[in-house]
Amino acid sequence: EAGVTQFPSHSVIEKGQTVTLRCDPISGHDNLYWYRRVMGKEIKFLLHFVKESKQDESGMPNNRFLAERTGGTYSTLKVQPAELEDSGVYFCASSQEAGRGKYNEQFFGPGTRLTVL
Amino acid sequence: AQSVTQLGSHVSVSEGALVLLRCNYSSSVPPYLFWYVQYPNQGLQLLLKYTSAATLVKGINGFEAEFKKSETSFHLTKPSAHMSDAAEYFCAVSDGANFGNEKLTFGTGTRLTIIP
Repeated sequence: EAGVTQFPSHSVIEKGQTVTLRCDPISGHDNLYWYRRVMGKEIKFLLHFVKESKQDESGMPNNRFLAERTGGTYSTLKVQPAELEDSGVYFCASSQEAGRGKYNEQFFGPGTRLTVL
Repeated sequence: AQSVTQLGSHVSVSEGALVLLRCNYSSSVPPYLFWYVQYPNQGLQLLLKYTSAATLVKGINGFEAEFKKSETSFHLTKPSAHMSDAAEYFCAVSDGANFGNEKLTFGTGTRLTIIP
């Protein structure tokens, strides 16, 4: 079974440009999470999808970030326009519904390293 | 609100020695606690988790952790370090009662180096 995949693995862009990151969750996983790690700091939650709906987007830093999950399969995270402070590693994770009252383990992708110059 | 503190951003131990990575948490609700490991150029991999059952949790690769509520700690240990244990380790907490949105709050990570 394929794990969570992310594309691209690395992206280097100029300040002011647009970048779109993609995440393909494990097939059948309804939950999809985005996290970000700025260099040297903790990994921070950005948002959570259940199927195609945004369940929690409390961690999105500002309106330059737009996440979508059309059809409840893969997700994209667009940064427009990118700023220097957006540099970091963006992780995606997915989980399935484990059943009522049970924890849904998250499986992480390898991340996309974004560098904004 | 929840938070995690990992003491020591870098830890070095000799091969065969005890590994101890420290994690303290803060949570206003019963927590679920996790340790993840990230090897170079790979994603985060779950080592072990505490989800309100046994307080001593055993994970993969010989690691274990003990949940101590009185100390708000969840330290990770391994009796004998192996060269393959060199990686970055992250402690994380989630709201143990909020099924359906188990977003994780992470610590800043500890990079473990094994000295031959």
